[in-house]
Amino acid sequence: GAGVSQSPRYKVAKRGQDVALRCDPISGHVSLFWYQQALGQGPEFLTYFQNEAQLDKSGLPSDRFFAERPEGSVSTLKIQRTQQEDSAVYLCASSAAGTANSPLHFGNGTRLTVT
Amino acid sequence: TQLLEQSPQFLSIQEGENLTVYCNSSSVFSSLQWYRQEPGEGPVLLVTVVTGGEVKKLKRLTFQFGDARKDSSLHITAAQPGDTGLYLCAGAPAGGTSYGKLTFGQGTILTVHP
Repeated sequence: GAGVSQSPRYKVAKRGQDVALRCDPISGHVSLFWYQQALGQGPEFLTYFQNEAQLDKSGLPSDRFFAERPEGSVSTLKIQRTQQEDSAVYLCASSAAGTANSPLHFGNGTRLTVT
Repeated sequence: TQLLEQSPQFLSIQEGENLTVYCNSSSVFSSLQWYRQEPGEGPVLLVTVVTGGEVKKLKRLTFQFGDARKDSSLHITAAQPGDTGLYLCAGAPAGGTSYGKLTFGQGTILTVHP
């Protein structure tokens, strides 16, 4: 596809359930970011991959959050034992080069609602 | 943590009016980006500014990066209903990561009424 694809678009989970969110970046893009966006707020950084290497996971809010990109393309963000405060839109973004001024291309996000 | 303060948080105007959105920080950024986000979609990059004092124009939108690279503004001339959306500024901190980890402002929700 031409853009970043995320699935599912919407996910409702009961508190305590595990969820897995998928991101298909633009083909050939080296860099992949995950951001969390609360309602009415700007995105907040969660984690960064350069190819298959997770170089920065400083934004992950707890050890319940785990991300992987095993083959350097598709990435999965997993949240274990979901809590209500995890409710947010999870955005994935990719860029062609791993440099500071590389344009980020965002997917449309997965809206997670924890009940 | 390097914070980006955006103002105003909400802006509701009539078609044809002009507006300015501000993005301020006490920290220096190596570059600053502006994004527009519509409901149910991801942010879309509008512009990147990298040089202090830089001014970029995109049709009716004018972006400015402050001389000290701590602040930026977005000015829209003759706003149209199609400009409605969430406007986000995002900065790559000077001396920060080489891969462009961005800090986002909290956004400005713009509504342009016909």
